[in-house]
Amino acid sequence: ETGVTQTPRHLVMGMTNKKSLKCEQHLGHNAMYWYKQSAKKPLELMFVYSLEERVENNSVPSRFSPECPNSSHLFLHLHTLQPEDSALYLCASSQDTRQHTEAFFGQGTRLTVV
Amino acid sequence: GEDVEQSLFLSVREGDSSVINCTYTDSSSTYLYWYKQEPGAGLQLLTYIFSNMDMKQDQRLTVLLNKKDKHLSLRIADTQTGDSAIYFCAEKGGGFKTIFGAGTRLFVKA
Repeated sequence: ETGVTQTPRHLVMGMTNKKSLKCEQHLGHNAMYWYKQSAKKPLELMFVYSLEERVENNSVPSRFSPECPNSSHLFLHLHTLQPEDSALYLCASSQDTRQHTEAFFGQGTRLTVV
Repeated sequence: GEDVEQSLFLSVREGDSSVINCTYTDSSSTYLYWYKQEPGAGLQLLTYIFSNMDMKQDQRLTVLLNKKDKHLSLRIADTQTGDSAIYFCAEKGGGFKTIFGAGTRLFVKA
């Protein structure tokens, strides 16, 4: 248990559906992240929020829409996804975005797009 | 651009040492990390090394850094079946990005 909780753990959705992934941390951290983990590929950083402001957006398609309503919660809204978007989506948080701060990861949401 | 590479698979016998290797391209990297991911879990930080260090030891773990060759390794002494997992190398230079490799899956045979 790392203190970062993601729900749901598994999600199957059709290409026309709209769904949201949720991440929650009560570690008092100021930075939160979304990563995409695909098989045999490097972990891809999608979004970074620091103090509830988005500070990094790595050319992610607009069908992925993040939301950070407060420092403890981070959402990833999904709509009209493609089968190649099937992956493990990991949320992480850290005290801040400085180099030496440790990132704590959630267990991930396994997303399957059919 | 920035890139972190590591082999995808390593198999060792229980009790042997495991060595997982990683190369990176960003010469401005100041922190390099090793993360462990067990089945069904997120990534957990194992250890990290600052770029002005050559070696760091923490119990069964030894990290070696060759900054000239941009090569990082993780040695696990007396490898146990519980060490079976995916090990990710990562580097952080300037900015907010931590760049991860694809992960090395370690199989430990009893």
